[in-house]
Amino acid sequence: QTVVTQEPSFSVSPGGTVTLTCGLSSGSISTNYYPSWYQQTPGQPPRTLIYNTNIRSSGVPDRFSGSILGNKAALTITGAQADDESDYYCVLYMGSGPDWVFGGGTKLTVL
Amino acid sequence: QVQLVQSGAEVKEPGASVKVSCKASGYTFTSYAMHWVRQAPGQRLEWMGWIHAGNGNIKYSQKFQGRVTVTRDTSASTAYMELSSLRSEDTAVYYCARFSRSLGGLWGQGTLVIVSS
Repeated sequence: QTVVTQEPSFSVSPGGTVTLTCGLSSGSISTNYYPSWYQQTPGQPPRTLIYNTNIRSSGVPDRFSGSILGNKAALTITGAQADDESDYYCVLYMGSGPDWVFGGGTKLTVL
Repeated sequence: QVQLVQSGAEVKEPGASVKVSCKASGYTFTSYAMHWVRQAPGQRLEWMGWIHAGNGNIKYSQKFQGRVTVTRDTSASTAYMELSSLRSEDTAVYYCARFSRSLGGLWGQGTLVIVSS
């Protein structure tokens, strides 16, 4: 069974840059997995930040960017702000029908 | 407007079943699968299953196999998720979501299900 791995937690200073990653328990992530990234704050549904590796969803600030770094998908936040403190989830397309697999999420602290 | 609108909060007793609905609008319902994801208090998102709204194909997470049933009504552009034999650990917010390689994710607002005697 495929396991999608994310850092359980991460911290960044206000104004700093942080890169969260999304990997596979076996194998490398490529654009063929159409990685997408979602931000969730308590009590709210997830919000789409990035899809198809690096396409920002409408209204998402350009301080959020997606990429492939080595064998992982990555979400980079440049110039972190206090309200970026959230949980971040990656979701991968597994290439067979509508099969999408969730990562366990990263809790980002801005302090 | 492209959106998913879910049914309201539910309170159920242990052992009962709950059925949550998710009405799609603004897009061709039958062109996508509808996923169901839940989040227990303070916990991570947990994928439960999906149904392709067009061909009716279904896949469930092994964790929920046997207790969850997803269906859809194409005439109403609505998907449903029924969870049976509820226990306190099923207290959670349940989301429907559509994922697309070219459009990203679209989420419902969530439905709180509380299981309590």
